[in-house]
Amino acid sequence: AQTVTQSQPEMSVQEAETVTLSCTYDTSESDYYLFWYKQPPSRQMILVIRQEAYKQQNATENRFSVNFQKAAKSFSLKISDSQLGDAAMYFCAYKWDSNYQLIWGAGTKLIIKP
Amino acid sequence: DVKVTQSSRYLVKRTGEKVFLECVQDMDHENMFWYRQDPGLGLRLIYFSYDVKMKEKGDIPEGYSVSREKKERFSLILESASTNQTSMYLCASTLNVADTGELFFGEGSRLTVL
Repeated sequence: AQTVTQSQPEMSVQEAETVTLSCTYDTSESDYYLFWYKQPPSRQMILVIRQEAYKQQNATENRFSVNFQKAAKSFSLKISDSQLGDAAMYFCAYKWDSNYQLIWGAGTKLIIKP
Repeated sequence: DVKVTQSSRYLVKRTGEKVFLECVQDMDHENMFWYRQDPGLGLRLIYFSYDVKMKEKGDIPEGYSVSREKKERFSLILESASTNQTSMYLCASTLNVADTGELFFGEGSRLTVL
């Protein structure tokens, strides 16, 4: 069975510092997508970053970047120059190629200390 | 921008009541989803709809039903609410889930069953 594990229920970081959120997954598939979604308090969930498994290059979106280690089945999210607006729940998710199902991790609550 | 609107942000119902949660998207998306979000469990798929009147059960369909009479509207129905259905319910939509898998979410409906 495909699973996604986020081992850090909560993380905190000082404003302007860098933080890394961990995610591991289990799959026997070779073609898949990985995602990080952000859910701010009382606001809708939005996509932060997406990685296609066939791409070796790590995805980057402004201050957000991933470290995708396919062999290790690891997909961590690095947030640089943390801002107060980054405070949210972050969910890691996996999707097998053309399947409609996303498999979700339990989430990591990120706290930004001013 | 894609907009996914959930009819109620907060609901309080009594055990045994029938509950309707409605979701409307304005971007002509084919695919719509209902998820349940509980702390420590991530998102769990209740039902998925890939076209009008078409639906598929997700991981936890028991106690729920859905209706999709129009492309833009996807309703979740709790025929007889129970206390263990107290949760946050998230609606999402996407143009083509088999393509990239990016979902667009509503703000969520927090249901309390007394």
